[in-house]
Amino acid sequence: RKEVEQDPGPFNVPEGATVAFNCTYSNSASQSFFWYRQDCRKEPKLLMSVYSSGNEDGRFTAQLNRASQYISLLIRDSKLSDSATYLCVVRGYTGGFKTIFGAGTRLFVKA
Amino acid sequence: DAGVIQSPRHEVTEMGQEVTLRCKLISGHNSLFWYRQTMMRGLELLIYFNNNVPIDDSGMPEDRFSAKMPNASFSTLKIQPSEPRDSAVYFCASLGGAGGLSTDTQYFGPGTRLTVL
Repeated sequence: RKEVEQDPGPFNVPEGATVAFNCTYSNSASQSFFWYRQDCRKEPKLLMSVYSSGNEDGRFTAQLNRASQYISLLIRDSKLSDSATYLCVVRGYTGGFKTIFGAGTRLFVKA
Repeated sequence: DAGVIQSPRHEVTEMGQEVTLRCKLISGHNSLFWYRQTMMRGLELLIYFNNNVPIDDSGMPEDRFSAKMPNASFSTLKIQPSEPRDSAVYFCASLGGAGGLSTDTQYFGPGTRLTVL
């Protein structure tokens, strides 16, 4: 079983749609959680951190459920520019901050 | 700040040749990660260092792969001998701040696109 698992995708949605990404992780000792965005042929970049209380950044909302070891990302009113791959990231301390990425879910937003 | 610097950006080589990838961390950061990305396997963690010390190399595919961090700001990933299945994008990432918090942002370099013929 992979340490971080995501919906395989791809998701194809029209502009203005709401889209949700899900992620599960296997290590219950994991400490920090993030969503990264990766554009085609570019490096991954931080989209937002994920907190237990849930957090929102504009059209983006991230949720963490530690009991279920589940992370989610919701994008409201999707834009063409949201088209990218979204990577779920989990970090735990093992002498250093081991940071594991999910395989990513590709999103296509169409006009 | 220049960000994470990787070289070369592209490498095309023949099977059996030695390949060396290079990475320079962001100044002041103390953790370095090497990842490999392919369509089939996604972004895999190969090895990571903390304060120049390798912490976990369980992701290194086999003995043909080796990584070093000779000083606080620089690392190399070497593949010898290279094989066609090593073709991938190799990313280096830098992490660390004054607080050394698990919530610090990890920054990626632009990657090295390796093709082994």
